[in-house]
Formats: sequence, structure tokens, C-alpha cells
Amino acid sequence: GQQLNQSPQSMFIQEGEDVSMNCTSSSIFNTWLWYKQDPGEGPVLLIALYKAGELTSNGRLTAQFGITRKDSFLNISASIPSDVGIYFCAGHRLLQGAQKLVFGQGTRLTINP
Amino acid sequence: ETGVTQTPRHLVMGMTNKKSLKCEQHLGHNAMYWYKQSAKKPLELMFVYSLEERVENNSVPSRFSPECPNSSHLFLHLHTLQPEDSALYLCASSQESSREQYFGPGTRLTVT
Repeated sequence: GQQLNQSPQSMFIQEGEDVSMNCTSSSIFNTWLWYKQDPGEGPVLLIALYKAGELTSNGRLTAQFGITRKDSFLNISASIPSDVGIYFCAGHRLLQGAQKLVFGQGTRLTINP
Repeated sequence: ETGVTQTPRHLVMGMTNKKSLKCEQHLGHNAMYWYKQSAKKPLELMFVYSLEERVENNSVPSRFSPECPNSSHLFLHLHTLQPEDSALYLCASSQESSREQYFGPGTRLTVT
């Protein structure tokens, strides 16, 4: 089946540092989504990207939809303790009439105060 | 209540038990999804309901049986599960035409 390669798998940073993570795929997607999951909770949608080349910001978060439509990255600037969690990318395809998301393995972010 | 809710939040069941997971969405959406999240694996789509009809059954074993009585409610009926079925089960909803899915908090299932 389709797979998304998300990297890095984990990051250990100091508070205030910038963070960058990315997802790549062998398949084309028409939408990229980025989610964050806190312990014991479900994923929360952060940013949705709909067009190749699109660059979108949400506060300190910036994400881009790669021009080839096979990759996306997420940057977090000036990290703070509440940024801790697992970040997931998801690529969207319409398959057999259903809206399907394929998820990456996640990037676990740990911040040292 | 707002967003997507799931009950129970935690469930421990034996392999011979029958239980059900419930999901309710208060977003006015018309598509609902069940995902399985196991440790160190990506989220796996299990079932998709769009406009109350099942449109996807992602090769899920028959011991998992979904039910969608209306656009706001989704159930996952469980029976004779295996220990490897222990996982976080997440419900999500969306507008049928939308690519953005919104998740509930999940049910942490442990099969003993």
C-alpha cells in the first residue's frame, strides 16, 4: 500500500529553537495535512495545503506543499513547551468515492526547557 | 458538547467479550471514519461511512463490525478480539466533499 516517509522520527531540542520535519512519498497527493497529537488525545489538525507550491502559516507554524506533490514540510519557529507532542503528516486521495488519508509514522518532539 | 466525542475512553476486555465503541460528532459532518493506532505504526484506516453508507472496508477482520445509524453517530462493535487488537481506536468526521478530517480523543482498548 501507499506509504509516507516522515522524518525525523524523533527530535530533542532546546526551548526557543526552530524545528523542521518533512514527509515524502512515491505517490502524488492532491492535499497535504499536518496534525499534532498530545498524549491520550486524538490528532488535531494544524494546517491543510491544497495546491502544489503552497506555503501556509498558522502562528509559529509554516508548512509547504512540495512542487512535485510528493512531499511536504512543517516548520515550527521559536519552540515552546506546549509544542511537545507527535506531529503527523497525511496525504489525501479520493479513492473509490471515499476521502482517504494516508498517514506518516509521526515525528515525536521533545523540548528541554 | 462540541467536536467529536468517543466513549468509553478506556476499555479492557477479554477475548470472549462483546463490547461496542461509540463516536458522536457535533460538527454537522456527513462522513465518519474509524482508524486504528498501534504503537510505532501509522494510523490505519479501518472503515469509512459517507452519507451513512459504508464506502470503505479496509480488509478489516470480521470481529470488527461498524454501524452508522445516522450522520452523527458511529459505532464499532467488537467480539472475540485478539491481544494484537489492543490499540487506540480513533473516530474522525468530515464533510463528505472535504479533505479535512477531525478526530475524537480515541478509545484505548486493551484485550487480555
